[in-house]
Amino acid sequence: NAGVMQNPRHLVRRRGQEARLRCSPMKGHSHVYWYRQLPEEGLKFMVYLQKENIIDESGMPKERFSAEFPKEGPSILRIQQVVRGDSAAYFCASSPPTGVANEKLFFGSGTQLSVL
Amino acid sequence: GENVEQHPSTLSVQEGDSAVIKCTYSDSASNYFPWYKQELGKGPQLIIDIRSNVGEKKDQRIAVTLNKTAKHFSLHITETQPEDSAVYFCAAVGARDSSYKLIFGSGTRLLVRP
Repeated sequence: NAGVMQNPRHLVRRRGQEARLRCSPMKGHSHVYWYRQLPEEGLKFMVYLQKENIIDESGMPKERFSAEFPKEGPSILRIQQVVRGDSAAYFCASSPPTGVANEKLFFGSGTQLSVL
Repeated sequence: GENVEQHPSTLSVQEGDSAVIKCTYSDSASNYFPWYKQELGKGPQLIIDIRSNVGEKKDQRIAVTLNKTAKHFSLHITETQPEDSAVYFCAAVGARDSSYKLIFGSGTRLLVRP
């Protein structure tokens, strides 16, 4: 049973370009969460999605950032017109549909975004 | 909102000794407290968790204690081994209306010296 799969592992973008980060949850998981981690800091919640629905995007900047989790395919975190401050590790996590959401989170290996 | 503080930021112990990492939280409504281990270049892995209706939980060399009155919880690793070296994060579930939102501490870098 594969874990949470994220790609790419490393992404380099120049200022003003777009970054697209992909996340495939664990098999059978229908809840996806995106977190951001700056160097030497803990993870910060960004957005919580279920299939075709954004449940909570309160941790995500209102401009330039968007997330989706379509009926088919991976969840996508999209950052438009990247700036240097967007450089961070972005982690995706998933949890099963039953029980209390967000417990027993399983994280992927992350995407390290570097903005030049 | 919820705030989680974690200490120490770095911890160096001799192999075989015990390691203790402490966290405090601010929201008395928080009811779920997981601990994650993050190795270099990898995502956080859940190693143990505790709910607010339990005071202590053990899993082999790892234990977590929770003091609801004082709003703090601790991770205890006994008989440490070099492979325990990693960054450890505590977390708490946020306020009642956002129970799916984990609030993480800032991490403790544990080094186990052989």
